[in-house]
Amino acid sequence: DAKTTQPPSMDCAEGRAANLPCNHSTISGNEYVYWYRQIHSQGPQYIIHGLKNNETNEMASLIITEDRKSSTLILPHATLRDTAVYYCIVRVIYNFNKFYFGSGTKLNVKP
Amino acid sequence: NAGVTQTPKFQVLKTGQSMTLQCAQDMNHNSMYWYRQDPGMGLRLIYYSASEGTTDKGEVPNGYNVSRLNKREFSLRLESAAPSQTSVYFCASISGGEGSNEQFFGPGTRLTVL
Repeated sequence: DAKTTQPPSMDCAEGRAANLPCNHSTISGNEYVYWYRQIHSQGPQYIIHGLKNNETNEMASLIITEDRKSSTLILPHATLRDTAVYYCIVRVIYNFNKFYFGSGTKLNVKP
Repeated sequence: NAGVTQTPKFQVLKTGQSMTLQCAQDMNHNSMYWYRQDPGMGLRLIYYSASEGTTDKGEVPNGYNVSRLNKREFSLRLESAAPSQTSVYFCASISGGEGSNEQFFGPGTRLTVL
């Protein structure tokens, strides 16, 4: 299974865009990139996913490089409520839908 | 529609005691998962069940057993609890199949083993 590498923490000013990087250099052609976040000690929450094209939804945008070895999650206008741990996951899409979480990035949004 | 529910919310055990963590989902999902999260760490997959009647090991299965009782319920058992199993345990489910996007998580069970 492809592994991911994320910085342990990042700071962002409230109202600014938060750009969270993820390295997944061993990703294979049929593996998706997923992003989840965990606020305090709640269960993780799905944000967005993609295969090779850039994706956008009401929460965030996902930019995947052409070689698919890295991606960036963009929160366009970060708020204090976006302070959380953000997990980048490469999903094995065989029969079993396993999800392996790494250590994530702690995003601190500051006023 | 309650989503994913877990019981109990909190539990304190003594070393060597056994207990079962319960998880249920009402979304008719095929796949279910058990994770543990140690303080300051990410989630680690313990066991998963791709569909009713099947279970398989994740990253950290030692010391645990699971049962997929039916499509709704997936339980996690600690036969002889150890202090190293002090953690927060999350259950999750997903509909299954290549089009599945979102894994839904329960609120967690906070377990302390003394």
